[in-house]
Amino acid sequence: KAGVTQTPRYLIKTRGQQVTLSCSPISGHRSVSWYQQTPGQGLQFLFEYFSETQRNKGNFPGRFSGRQFSNSRSEMNVSTLELGDSALYLCASSSLLAGVADTQYFGPGTRLTVL
Amino acid sequence: GENVEQHPSTLSVQEGDSAVIKCTYSDSASNYFPWYKQELGKGPQLIIDIRSNVGEKKDQRIAVTLNKTAKHFSLHITETQPEDSAVYFCAASMNSGGYQKVTFGIGTKLQVIP
Repeated sequence: KAGVTQTPRYLIKTRGQQVTLSCSPISGHRSVSWYQQTPGQGLQFLFEYFSETQRNKGNFPGRFSGRQFSNSRSEMNVSTLELGDSALYLCASSSLLAGVADTQYFGPGTRLTVL
Repeated sequence: GENVEQHPSTLSVQEGDSAVIKCTYSDSASNYFPWYKQELGKGPQLIIDIRSNVGEKKDQRIAVTLNKTAKHFSLHITETQPEDSAVYFCAASMNSGGYQKVTFGIGTKLQVIP
């Protein structure tokens, strides 16, 4: 099976712009989670989608949003970019075990740099 | 909420020696503990995991132990090789309200010196 794919791999934006990142989960996985990774904060949970519905959300401002399509592909959007949004954004997909998402498999990430 | 502490933050070992990374968690409801390896420029890759009904699991040179009473779990890498150099993350996971809550440790940068 192909792994989790994320596009683009690298992005450079300026403050105030907005950005959309894309994630394609492993075939058959319906749960997609997004994380922000920075050197000082580690892996911070953004949100999780399952069957096109956001089921769980981390402590990030409303500038961070996401959605999931019927084929389980997911996008996340960051509006009004700030310098502090520079990070590696990781997507992880999960299958279901007894109705609950199980092991997460990560994609390679999108490196976002905000200038 | 769940809190996961991971130690040490950096670890240097000679090739062939063993490496041990330790994590503690706070919420006894956590029942699944994966370990991830992240190499430079890549996403975290699952290397081993353990569930709360098991005390130890081994896969070749890698083993994980879990002590539910003390709420800590450890990663053991034996006969380390230069390609083991990476950042390792532990995580504690629980099922909460119909979805999975995963909390990660801060990571351990392992350097294996040839």
